[in-house]
Amino acid sequence: KNQVEQSPQSLIILEGKNCTLQCNYTVSPFSNLRWYKQDTGRGPVSLTIMTFSENTKSNGRYTATLDADTKQSSLHITASQLSDSASYICVVSALVNSGYALNFGKGTSLLVTP
Amino acid sequence: DTAVSQTPKYLVTQMGNDKSIKCEQNLGHDTMYWYKQDSKKFLKIMFSYNNKELIINETVPNRFSPKSPDKAHLNLHINSLELGDSAVYFCASSQDRGRRAFFGQGTRLTVV
Repeated sequence: KNQVEQSPQSLIILEGKNCTLQCNYTVSPFSNLRWYKQDTGRGPVSLTIMTFSENTKSNGRYTATLDADTKQSSLHITASQLSDSASYICVVSALVNSGYALNFGKGTSLLVTP
Repeated sequence: DTAVSQTPKYLVTQMGNDKSIKCEQNLGHDTMYWYKQDSKKFLKIMFSYNNKELIINETVPNRFSPKSPDKAHLNLHINSLELGDSAVYFCASSQDRGRRAFFGQGTRLTVV
């Protein structure tokens, strides 16, 4: 069964600190992995996308890593800001006969405090 | 201009009613989706439409039916609403399946 597990479920950090969110998956056959940021009351917004051959990708203060062998990904946030408070969702795409199947993690809720 | 827009933003209705949520995208994308986000913030895909063809239909009750009058619209119609249908419903679109999806702002449905 294709699964996407994220940890921690929630996280509180001080403004300016770094943090790392984890995503482990058992999705197969793997197509790509995305990290989305969802602000409260808003729709998810894509941060990064990584394919099988990519190990790391950055988007400003966000850096995603992918280890396709161990089926693990992480999202590292550097010098956190209050606006980083949101849910971060890991989505892994699997190839299926009709195209792609999207597998969603349950998200990590991040709170950045002053 | 909003890329993916859905209306209404909030919807409160009684059990047993039939309601629709509208979605429009102005990105020229080929694929549109509907997602349900439950109280635990877990996003679950319900439908995707590509060139008016239903591609994915997860284990969704047949009370839910997507309707696509054209490539830019994918409306969600729900019959005989139940309490358990209360959730936030997100519309999204992408150039094709597997590509980055752009999400609407969500419709919070409350069934009383």
